[in-house]
Amino acid sequence: GENVEQHPSTLSVQEGDSAVIKCTYSDSASNYFPWYKQELGKRPQLIIDIRSNVGEKKDQRIAVTLNKTAKHFSLHITETQPEDSAVYFCAASRWGNNNDMRFGAGTRLTVKP
Amino acid sequence: DGGITQSPKYLFRKEGQNVTLSCEQNLNHDAMYWYRQDPGQGLRLIYYSQIVNDFQKGDIAEGYSVSREKKESFPLTVTSAQKNPTAFYLCASSIATGGPLNFGAGTRLSVL
Repeated sequence: GENVEQHPSTLSVQEGDSAVIKCTYSDSASNYFPWYKQELGKRPQLIIDIRSNVGEKKDQRIAVTLNKTAKHFSLHITETQPEDSAVYFCAASRWGNNNDMRFGAGTRLTVKP
Repeated sequence: DGGITQSPKYLFRKEGQNVTLSCEQNLNHDAMYWYRQDPGQGLRLIYYSQIVNDFQKGDIAEGYSVSREKKESFPLTVTSAQKNPTAFYLCASSIATGGPLNFGAGTRLSVL
């Protein structure tokens, strides 16, 4: 089955700096790569996702890049703000193929004011 | 709560007791999932269901059971065989398996 690894496990940046979180996956048939943000005690929320037919997707201050050959994808957050502080999870799946979604172990991002 | 409701929010289990966590969705989604989250850790898949009357084991299914008798409902039973049940349990749904997940607010289970 799919195995997703995520790095780093913790990340601390100064407000206004950029943050990058990286994930690798093992199943070359995976075609859907979402990122979720989880604030303390709350449910994970989808913040951005990418399908395997594109290499990059942006939404305001966040972007995701995908390298299918190397089987890795990354989350980029620019101009970080204190409210970006949370745990971020990457995931991978084969959408619509009776396949579950597997998550990375998470990255705790702290943005210092 | 975004179309997917989990209850109760907090649950306490006594030794040897089975407890059932409820998950209901009104999003007309075919796929539903149960994940377990331990403090400071990621999401581990317990069970998932692609369609009514069908479900598959995830990575940590031992000590848990599920049913999918209705499209809207996917209850999780934590049996007495699960020796370390204390965790945050998250139910999710998606329009199809492997698609974007909508999570419930979670149930926090503790052992008395």
